[in-house]
Amino acid sequence: DTEVTQTPKHLVMGMTNKKSLKCEQHMGHRAMYWYKQKAKKPPELMFVYSYEKLSINESVPSRFSPECPNSSLLNLHLHALQPEDSALYLCASSLRAQGREQYFGPGTRLTVT
Amino acid sequence: QQPVQSPQAVILREGEDAVINCSSSKALYSVHWYRQKHGEAPVFLMILLKGGEQKGHEKISASFNEKKQQSSLYLTASQLSYSGTYFCGTETGTYKYIFGTGTRLKVLA
Repeated sequence: DTEVTQTPKHLVMGMTNKKSLKCEQHMGHRAMYWYKQKAKKPPELMFVYSYEKLSINESVPSRFSPECPNSSLLNLHLHALQPEDSALYLCASSLRAQGREQYFGPGTRLTVT
Repeated sequence: QQPVQSPQAVILREGEDAVINCSSSKALYSVHWYRQKHGEAPVFLMILLKGGEQKGHEKISASFNEKKQQSSLYLTASQLSYSGTYFCGTETGTYKYIFGTGTRLKVLA
């Protein structure tokens, strides 16, 4: 199984809502990532988990809260988002956090109204 | 600082060759290459770990010059399926990962 799954595929939320994005992989990878991608731009790294510990937080606003409950699962909790947070949110995993290829999920298309 | 890719965009006819360059102002631990088709997730193509390393994958190959902090992706005898946006990805420190500016490639029949 070389697949990273993400749910939901699409999400529309108001600025006062609380929602969560979910990512799952069963490849035995010990590094997991959240990226944000705006149209026609490269993915931007938000968070890196290595062995279920948060290793990198790229100065992401606190309205985004990551969680790694176990080695296969990664969540991104969203609260009080702004319209400019609308983007494609990609999850990725790799065998370890350095020197290895990343496998991406299909992404969640988020629209904040 | 984000690696800069050149060219920004390129249009090819089937069977033509292309070269995409990735240049960083920071020392690189490794270089990864990905292709992203419209509306889809990036797909891994190859990774280069050592200075001067070259790799090939069917008709797609790449080189990495660690000293110059540059990598190049070579697409030979391009096919329609090669169309998409190509990104280099680089590791510049512990777990720090950054994508290049991207190169849009379109292959015409």
